[in-house]
Amino acid sequence: EPEVTQTPSHQVTQMGQEVILRCVPISNHLYFYWYRQILGQKVEFLVSFYNNEISEKSEIFDDQFSVERPDGSNFTLKIRSTKLEDSAMYFCASSENRQGGSPLHFGNGTRLTVT
Amino acid sequence: AQSVAQPEDQVNVAEGNPLTVKCTYSVSGNPYLFWYVQYPNRGLQFLLKYITGDNLVKGSYGFEAEFNKSQTSFHLKKPSALVSDSALYFCAVRDQAGTALIFGKGTTLSVSS
Repeated sequence: EPEVTQTPSHQVTQMGQEVILRCVPISNHLYFYWYRQILGQKVEFLVSFYNNEISEKSEIFDDQFSVERPDGSNFTLKIRSTKLEDSAMYFCASSENRQGGSPLHFGNGTRLTVT
Repeated sequence: AQSVAQPEDQVNVAEGNPLTVKCTYSVSGNPYLFWYVQYPNRGLQFLLKYITGDNLVKGSYGFEAEFNKSQTSFHLKKPSALVSDSALYFCAVRDQAGTALIFGKGTTLSVSS
C-alpha cells in the first residue's frame, strides 16, 4: 500500500537555527498537509497546500513557517529561527482530492527537538 | 469554525467487552467525520469516515461508528475489544468548505486481558 514517507525521523537543532522537514506524499495525491503534535497530545493543523499554493493555514502557521514543493515529489516544511516551543512531532499528510470525504494519509512523523 | 470534543481522556475496558469512545462535533453545514488511531511513535492511521447515508459506518479492524445528527455525535464502537486495540484514538471533522481535518484531543483506549 502506498505510504507517505518523512525524513528525518528525528531532528535535533539549536534554538535560532533553521530546519527543513521533508515529506514524500503518495504519488497520485493532490493535497498536502502539515500537522504537529506536542508530547503525544492534540494533533494541530498547520497548513494545507494544493497546486503550489497554500489552501488553508492556522494561526500557528506564522511567518516563521513556510512550505514548498520544490521538485514535484518532495513537500517541505521550513521553520526559521526555531524556538524551544517548536519541539514537537511534525506529521505530513496527503489526500487524493479536496472532496470532503477524502481521508488524509499520514506519515510516521519527524520528531523535532530544539535545544 | 469547526471543532471536535472528546470528553474522555482515557477509556478502560476488559478484553472481549464492547467499547465506546465518544466524540461530539461542531461544524457549519453537513459534517465529514473521521476516526484515526495512533500507536506509539507512529503516524495517524485512518479507521473510518462518515460522509452521508447510513448512520452506522463500518471501518477497519472491526470498528464502527454511529453518526447522530441531533446529538452532533460520532461515537466509535467495537463489539468485542482486543488487547491490541490499546492505542490513542482521534476523532476529526471537516466542513464542506475546508480542506483541513480538525482533530479532537484524543482518547487513550486501554484494553486489559
